[in-house]
Amino acid sequence: DAKTTQPPSMDCAEGRAANLPCNHSTISGNEYVYWYRQIHSQGPQYIIHGLKNNETNEMASLIITEDRKSSTLILPHATLRDTAVYYCIVIQNQGGKLIFGQGTELSVKP
Amino acid sequence: GAVVSQHPSWVICKSGTSVKIECRSLDFQATTMFWYRQFPKQSLMLMATSNEGSKATYEQGVEKDKFLINHASLTLSTLTVTSAHPEDSSFYICSARGFGQGARNEQFFGPGTRLTVL
Repeated sequence: DAKTTQPPSMDCAEGRAANLPCNHSTISGNEYVYWYRQIHSQGPQYIIHGLKNNETNEMASLIITEDRKSSTLILPHATLRDTAVYYCIVIQNQGGKLIFGQGTELSVKP
Repeated sequence: GAVVSQHPSWVICKSGTSVKIECRSLDFQATTMFWYRQFPKQSLMLMATSNEGSKATYEQGVEKDKFLINHASLTLSTLTVTSAHPEDSSFYICSARGFGQGARNEQFFGPGTRLTVL
């Protein structure tokens, strides 16, 4: 499975959009990009995933570049409850194992 | 989405005893379950993968005789930490993947179990 690179930490003002980048330059054609987040002392929570096209759901939007070598998770209106570690994971198919990297620790500040 | 539960949510035990952690998929059938371990300030580390009715596959460096995994039904997997020692103190998280209402073959996580070995 392709490796991902994320910034270790980011800050965001409450109410503003949070844009979390992820590099996956070695991604192959059949690999999906998944995003999970983990709030302190809880299990990870699924956010969104995509293959090629941009995706949007009630939680977030996922923008994948045309060459698929990077993506951005967008939380449109961040709240204090969005403070968490966000993990970008690339897996070969929807049946692959989720291997977690270090993620990005997002702090939403009032 | 699909719901995964774990029991207990926390446990304290004496060194040398064994501890069993249960992981249940509440509203879907979990064909595959995963066990992770997480130390403070670190990311989740995959320990093993189990498919219902078959032996678990352990990741490199994980002792299968120490971390016994049973996945006897489509809704239940257990992790037993045998002869626990203080260095086994950690946050253990299970996840499940399968089919049924809300499952969509995605991987859903339990809330985790905090194990403290004295």
